Amino acid sequence: DTAVSQTPKYLVTQMGNDKSIKCEQNLGHDTMYWYKQDSKKFLKIMFSYNNKELIINETVPNRFSPKSPDKAHLNLHINSLELGDSAVYFCASSQGLAGGGYEQYFGPGTRLTVT
Amino acid sequence: AQSVTQLGSHVSVSEGALVLLRCNYSSSVPPYLFWYVQYPNQGLQLLLKYTTGATLVKGINGFEAEFKKSETSFHLTKPSAHMSDAAEYFCAVSGRGNNRLAFGKGNQVVVIP
Repeated sequence: DTAVSQTPKYLVTQMGNDKSIKCEQNLGHDTMYWYKQDSKKFLKIMFSYNNKELIINETVPNRFSPKSPDKAHLNLHINSLELGDSAVYFCASSQGLAGGGYEQYFGPGTRLTVT
Repeated sequence: AQSVTQLGSHVSVSEGALVLLRCNYSSSVPPYLFWYVQYPNQGLQLLLKYTTGATLVKGINGFEAEFKKSETSFHLTKPSAHMSDAAEYFCAVSGRGNNRLAFGKGNQVVVIP
């Protein structure tokens, strides 16, 4: 009965490969997010979807493409992986938009290592 | 736009001593303020939040924080540290009309037996 789940938990791959990370939430929330946490633990928003509509698209390389097939799922596809993409990627969800003061629920993270 | 400043990336505290983590924010609109905790190899978990109303907010695991508008602060405290409090702590801010949650750089808390 995990609220926000991500697969895989660990992902080791070589430069130039394409990979996907999947996220699912069973909280009935309308809003979902992708964050990147670097080696210094700094968290940066990448994307946000509300009711399957993209509402935040930060200055992320266009090799990163999110897809929301329905309100409960938000996947992240990464093309042509680079060494600098190594990080922990977190999915999160909330009942409403951050501008409404709603708390975000985080998944366990996916540790991506690019060699 | 909102932003958060957390000073002192590493904080050491003796078991049983006061835990104090400082958070100052910048916001052009009334802020919504959050403290999250991240245990090793886990996702973030909400400790407490301030939206409106009472400025002293109580959270889980004995933590509390006070919103001080005049000081633009939202410091986190716990009277007596426990070994299980060793974790990374993040302060975050959002605001009405801004759909981004801005995180501080975090404080790694180490509890010394």
